[in-house]
Amino acid sequence: EPEVTQTPSHQVTQMGQEVILRCVPISNHLYFYWYRQILGQKVEFLVSFYNNEISEKSEIFDDQFSVERPDGSNFTLKIRSTKLEDSAMYFCASRERGDYNEQFFGPGTRLTVL
Amino acid sequence: AQSVSQHNHHVILSEAASLELGCNYSYGGTVNLFWYVQYPGQHLQLLLKYFSGDPLVKGIKGFEAEFIKSKFSFNLRKPSVQWSDTAEYFCAVNLFSGGYNKLIFGAGTRLAVHP
Repeated sequence: EPEVTQTPSHQVTQMGQEVILRCVPISNHLYFYWYRQILGQKVEFLVSFYNNEISEKSEIFDDQFSVERPDGSNFTLKIRSTKLEDSAMYFCASRERGDYNEQFFGPGTRLTVL
Repeated sequence: AQSVSQHNHHVILSEAASLELGCNYSYGGTVNLFWYVQYPGQHLQLLLKYFSGDPLVKGIKGFEAEFIKSKFSFNLRKPSVQWSDTAEYFCAVNLFSGGYNKLIFGAGTRLAVHP
């Protein structure tokens, strides 16, 4: 069964450093998402992406964040200058065309900012 | 603002006990409703979903949920839990906006089932 994959599974970085989290969505999916879950808190929507542009972003997704689909298979989330409060689990998700299709989630990347 | 509330943060049950996890949402428009499960160390997996039609939906592993529109609720149930149901359960609402959608999650309910 096809699945969403994410790398790395765990990333440790120093405050102020740039990080890139990578996702490979399911191949025929057209809509892509990033969510995050700070330890002990709920899963929060960050951004949705369709047709090579952001379709919606939350207030969390400020200028420090960017997303890209550089090569037609990968979908990346970049944090330009990490802060302590960026420490969280980051989940990528993708879905097919059509309003009634579920989002499939990847296993997540645990980001720890020191 | 749209939100999803899960009433129980931690639930502890013995095997064979019945389970009901509450979920309420606040949104007046068209919604799709989901329950996701996250087993320890694993990613979010879909348990069941409601889009339209019969408000009682059946999912995997013997779970079911009932959509009650008048109560803005989508409670998850299982008549007899097993130790392997130990996991965190998330209710989510799919909101549509301008042709795109996003999931709004509840805070999650951590279920521990003791043998």
